[in-house]
Amino acid sequence: GQNIDQPTEMTATEGAIVQINCTYQTSGFNGLFWYQQHAGEAPTFLSYNVLDGLEEKGRFSSFLSRSKGYSYLLLKELQMKDSASYLCAVRDPLLGGFKTIFGAGTRLFVKA
Amino acid sequence: ETGVTQTPRHLVMGMTNKKSLKCEQHLGHNAMYWYKQSAKKPLELMFVYSLEERVENNSVPSRFSPECPNSSHLFLHLHTLQPEDSALYLCASSRDRGSNQPQHFGDGTRLSIL
Repeated sequence: GQNIDQPTEMTATEGAIVQINCTYQTSGFNGLFWYQQHAGEAPTFLSYNVLDGLEEKGRFSSFLSRSKGYSYLLLKELQMKDSASYLCAVRDPLLGGFKTIFGAGTRLFVKA
Repeated sequence: ETGVTQTPRHLVMGMTNKKSLKCEQHLGHNAMYWYKQSAKKPLELMFVYSLEERVENNSVPSRFSPECPNSSHLFLHLHTLQPEDSALYLCASSRDRGSNQPQHFGDGTRLSIL
């Protein structure tokens, strides 16, 4: 079956580093996405990984290990505005490559 | 501003009503999607359109009926909904079939069924 697991909630302190983990089991794999969603707003694209390794983009980095079905999103120098839900999503080759399977999201609370 | 606009932002309707949700994208994308987002649950893909042709999900009740008149507009027609259909309905678009193409989401319509 298709399954994506990520922690429900995390709390971290402003200025610190936080790592949000995601494990997945899907019938196929065509890339992994991370999205950020503030309450009442649209999810917005953060990162994409298709090969193993680390992708860095400013304060945010994303890692992928395809053999382990594992990814993490690393947020550095946390800011209060980083309080949001973070969605892990896997593109599965079902439906001609259009099917993206989402995790339930991790709510991150950044405290002062 | 994500380039994907959804209206209305909020909708309250009775189970016997008929209403429609509207989505418009200004990004020149070829694929559009409807998702359902319930509290503490993953986004559920409902429908996909590619170049105005439906790639059907097959697990969506017939009380939800999508329409894609052109590549910029997508509708979700609702009739005789159930209380469990109360959720946030998100529209998204992506450039094409390319697997590294992210989806761009609208802010959603918060739907409440009385």
